[in-house]
Amino acid sequence: SQTIHQWPATLVQPVGSPLSLECTVEGTSNPNLYWYRQAAGRGLQLLFYSVGIGQISSEVPQNLSASRPQDRQFILSSKKLLLSDSGFYLCAWSWASNYGYTFGSGTRLTIV
Amino acid sequence: QKEVEQDPGPLSVPEGAIVSLNCTYSNSAFQYFMWYRQYSRKGPELLMYTYSSGNKEDGRFTAQVDKSSKYISLFIRDSQPSDSATYLCASSLIQGAQKLVFGQGTRLTINP
Repeated sequence: SQTIHQWPATLVQPVGSPLSLECTVEGTSNPNLYWYRQAAGRGLQLLFYSVGIGQISSEVPQNLSASRPQDRQFILSSKKLLLSDSGFYLCAWSWASNYGYTFGSGTRLTIV
Repeated sequence: QKEVEQDPGPLSVPEGAIVSLNCTYSNSAFQYFMWYRQYSRKGPELLMYTYSSGNKEDGRFTAQVDKSSKYISLFIRDSQPSDSATYLCASSLIQGAQKLVFGQGTRLTINP
């Protein structure tokens, strides 16, 4: 069966510090991978998606970036965090021919 | 105008009641419709999936899509306290699409 791992679960970072969130998928090959952000009281906002190694599509211009160095690894990064980057970050995967996503357990990021 | 609109609630009903959750969408090209359930501080989990118009039933849950009015519904029969969660509707253009568009989510509480 397929599993998705996301860490850390919670993170408190000062403004201006760097960020690296990691997501890995097990039990499947060549998945589509996604990063979403869920701000308090708001819906899910698609940040990045990837259909293959090194292939990243950005949905929202901002100070975040994503990379996919391996088939089942997806990394969300920032060089300098802003207060507005606080939120609940969710990684997800899907098969290209399947429906819906499977989400990870999320990372709650608080910028102080 | 958001592509998928959902009343954020909160919605509070007594145990055993029938719950109706609703979304509207603006993009007539949407073909796939999903409902996700999200418990507090957890990632969303896929609950129901429907294609085009019609009904789909799974146990106590029924998903309904009316493409003529661009209306998506989820009905929960014999609601239980364990159903208390945030419910998110989502739509996409094609199966396994890279871009699921989510509603804001409705927070539901079932009172024992």
